[in-house]
Amino acid sequence: KQEVTQIPAALSVPEGENLVLNCSFTDSAIYNLQWFRQDPGKGLTSLLLIQSSQREQTSGRLNASLDKSSGRSTLYIAASQPGDSATYLCAVFHRGGADGLTFGKGTHLIIQP
Amino acid sequence: DTGVSQDPRHKITKRGQNVTFRCDPISEHNRLYWYRQTLGQGPEFLTYFQNEAQLEKSRLLSDRFSAERPKGSFSTLEIQRTEQGDSAMYLCASSFTASGRTQYFGPGTRLTVL
Repeated sequence: KQEVTQIPAALSVPEGENLVLNCSFTDSAIYNLQWFRQDPGKGLTSLLLIQSSQREQTSGRLNASLDKSSGRSTLYIAASQPGDSATYLCAVFHRGGADGLTFGKGTHLIIQP
Repeated sequence: DTGVSQDPRHKITKRGQNVTFRCDPISEHNRLYWYRQTLGQGPEFLTYFQNEAQLEKSRLLSDRFSAERPKGSFSTLEIQRTEQGDSAMYLCASSFTASGRTQYFGPGTRLTVL
């Protein structure tokens, strides 16, 4: 059974810092890995999707990497801003499993002004 | 840009009542997914449709839950005889056909069972 773990569970940093969120998964047989943002009480916003054949994807201040063989992904946020405060969720689309995403519990991020 | 929409956004009901939620996916998307999210957890997969066919159901989807997508467009999720443990955010997502495509999520329906 695929399991996704996110570390840390919560993170609070001053504005302007660069930071890294970690995601690990137990089964490397995945189609892709997707990072989402969730604001309190709201739905999910897709940030980046990395196909299993790719090593990284970039969008603005966000960079996500994927090491499928070791079952790890990182989300790098450059020059953090208070508006980046949210919960960040990592999810994998698993080959041969249920045809839906398997999510971690998320990292709750607070950027202090 | 018309994204995924869900209705209602909030639902409060008494234990034992039936509730129905609606999801309207992005119009070009063939696949429609339902997830459930409880406080402090990531979403959990419930079921998905490709066009009007329901292709997979999680073991989380008990007999009290039923989902339909009658014309391959909008979908409904019904919960019969609600229990307090059904209290959660119910999320709908859609994507193009083929595994591994980006899933776009709606704002969710927050269900509270008293």
